[in-house]
Amino acid sequence: KQEVTQIPAALSVPEGENLVLNCSFTDSAIYNLQWFRQDPGKGLTSLLLIQSSQREQTSGRLNASLDKSSGRSTLYIAASQPGDSATYLCALSNTGKLIFGQGTTLQVKP
Amino acid sequence: SQTIHQWPATLVQPVGSPLSLECTVEGTSNPNLYWYRQAAGRGLQLLFYSVGIGQISSEVPQNLSASRPQDRQFILSSKKLLLSDSGFYLCAWRTGLVNTEAFFGQGTRLTVV
Repeated sequence: KQEVTQIPAALSVPEGENLVLNCSFTDSAIYNLQWFRQDPGKGLTSLLLIQSSQREQTSGRLNASLDKSSGRSTLYIAASQPGDSATYLCALSNTGKLIFGQGTTLQVKP
Repeated sequence: SQTIHQWPATLVQPVGSPLSLECTVEGTSNPNLYWYRQAAGRGLQLLFYSVGIGQISSEVPQNLSASRPQDRQFILSSKKLLLSDSGFYLCAWRTGLVNTEAFFGQGTRLTVV
């Protein structure tokens, strides 16, 4: 059974710092991995999708990597801003289902 | 462009009352549709998913059911709500099963009292 773990559960950093969020999974047989952002009380916003044949994707200040052999993905946020404060979730696609980690709640302090 | 609509945004219902949450997708055909529940401080739990009209897969045995009466409409229902049904319900869609991006609605906050 696929299990997805996100560490740390919460993170607080000062504005301007570069940071890395981690996502690990137990079964490397995945179709793709997707990173989402969730603001309090809101739905999920898709940030990046990495297909199983890819190693990374970039969008603005965000860079996501995927290493299936080690069962890991990272989301790198450059030059963090207070507006980046949210919960970040990774999800694996396997046989049509999306399996989510518990999320990392990020607070960027001005 | 494709959009997904969920309603209502918030709902307060007494224990034992029925439930109907609706999700519709615009701008695409034959989407895969999903219902998730997010309990307070917890991750997303997949409840149901559908790959076509009338095709529903249930992930977790519970007090809820789902139906897909039309291609782009997905409904979550209950005949009698329990306190444990409280949570944040999210609908999602994607165009296929492999290498496609998933998109979520804004969610429905359900409080059972």
